[in-house]
Amino acid sequence: GNSVTQMEGPVTLSEEAFLTINCTYTATGYPSLFWYVQYPGEGLQLLLKATKADDKGSNKGFEATYRKETTSFHLEKGSVQVSDSAVYFCALIVETPTGANSKLTFGKGITLSVRP
Amino acid sequence: KAGVTQTPRYLIKTRGQQVTLSCSPISGHRSVSWYQQTPGQGLQFLFEYFSETQRNKGNFPGRFSGRQFSNSRSEMNVSTLELGDSALYLCASSLVLGAENTGELFFGEGSRLTVL
Repeated sequence: GNSVTQMEGPVTLSEEAFLTINCTYTATGYPSLFWYVQYPGEGLQLLLKATKADDKGSNKGFEATYRKETTSFHLEKGSVQVSDSAVYFCALIVETPTGANSKLTFGKGITLSVRP
Repeated sequence: KAGVTQTPRYLIKTRGQQVTLSCSPISGHRSVSWYQQTPGQGLQFLFEYFSETQRNKGNFPGRFSGRQFSNSRSEMNVSTLELGDSALYLCASSLVLGAENTGELFFGEGSRLTVL
């Protein structure tokens, strides 16, 4: 089956610190990979995605590179802000020709707190 | 453009009762998915509907059911509620072209169900 493993949290950082959140996956088939973010009191939002090996997704200063050889999709940001405080979810989807396996598989999420 | 709207936002039920949750997707989105979010299990896929047909189903008991209407609005129903059904139920819509699902979901803020 498909699964996503995220590093244990929570994570607390000072503003302007470097952020890495690890994500590894197992998948039957060729997955597309995603990072979703959930800000306090809001629904999940897509942060970035990558659909094939070596693709780099980026948005709002966050980046993640699809590494097929290590089955990883680690999220990084060079300088975090207080407004980045949220819960971050790594996810994957594996398509079939009929779209029958169209569900997103999420990791458990990790809470990031950034202090001023 | 209006986002995904879920109603009700909060509800309290007692064991043995049943509940119906509603979701209005973004205009033009034909796929609606439902997820259960709990602190222990994280985000778990319930089912997905596309053009009024259930296209995929997660590993939940038959007490969990859903449907989609011709205007793409969706409802999910949980019968014979148990304490463990207490969770945030998230609805997500996506723009699907044919059988393809890009995995780019737009989530509502969720319906928080408490079972006493």
